[in-house]
Amino acid sequence: DTAVSQTPKYLVTQMGNDKSIKCEQNLGHDTMYWYKQDSKKFLKIMFSYNNKELIINETVPNRFSPKSPDKAHLNLHINSLELGDSAVYFCASSQGRLLMNTEAFFGQGTRLTVV
Amino acid sequence: AQKVTQAQTEISVVEKEDVTLDCVYETRDTTYYLFWYKQPPSGELVFLIRRNSFDEQNEISGRYSWNFQKSTSSFNFTITASQVVDSAVYFCAAGVQGAQKLVFGQGTRLTINP
Repeated sequence: DTAVSQTPKYLVTQMGNDKSIKCEQNLGHDTMYWYKQDSKKFLKIMFSYNNKELIINETVPNRFSPKSPDKAHLNLHINSLELGDSAVYFCASSQGRLLMNTEAFFGQGTRLTVV
Repeated sequence: AQKVTQAQTEISVVEKEDVTLDCVYETRDTTYYLFWYKQPPSGELVFLIRRNSFDEQNEISGRYSWNFQKSTSSFNFTITASQVVDSAVYFCAAGVQGAQKLVFGQGTRLTINP
């Protein structure tokens, strides 16, 4: 069973559209994240949720709205997509608000291409 | 704020050579955590190791070893007797207690040629 799963794996869409990426983890973790990897492979955190509560929002445009219906899910909705949003988006999860006892487990990534 | 620097953008070696990937971190916190992740061509991020700032013991796992030196703020990764399957982008990352996020280095693309 996949520990952290994201859907879809690939997403090609036109500028201006609204799209969602879904993430689910079956590890029983209480903290989930979204990271963005740009074309130069640079990975940067976007959001972090702990027990459905937003704890990190790293100056991401408000066109990006994460939603956590429960601890096991953290979806990412993007409005009015722009060319610069093209990237690979990774979902991750970990146990606890602290990194002390665990690492973050990452999903397979969603490659978003905006045309 | 933390910062992680992987000065080597790309490394290319011939199979069976040993190779070391450098990682230098910056943080003002006394409690922090260091990580290495592997991203193979298939794209997923695979956890390799986590180290906390109080544990400077080096670690060996098979052909992989890590050298943590607080004096130089480095957490280098060595692959011994490299294999083609080791070809990937390797990321070093750091996190501080309470910050609840990882700060990644730029990644080092390692190519092992047969």
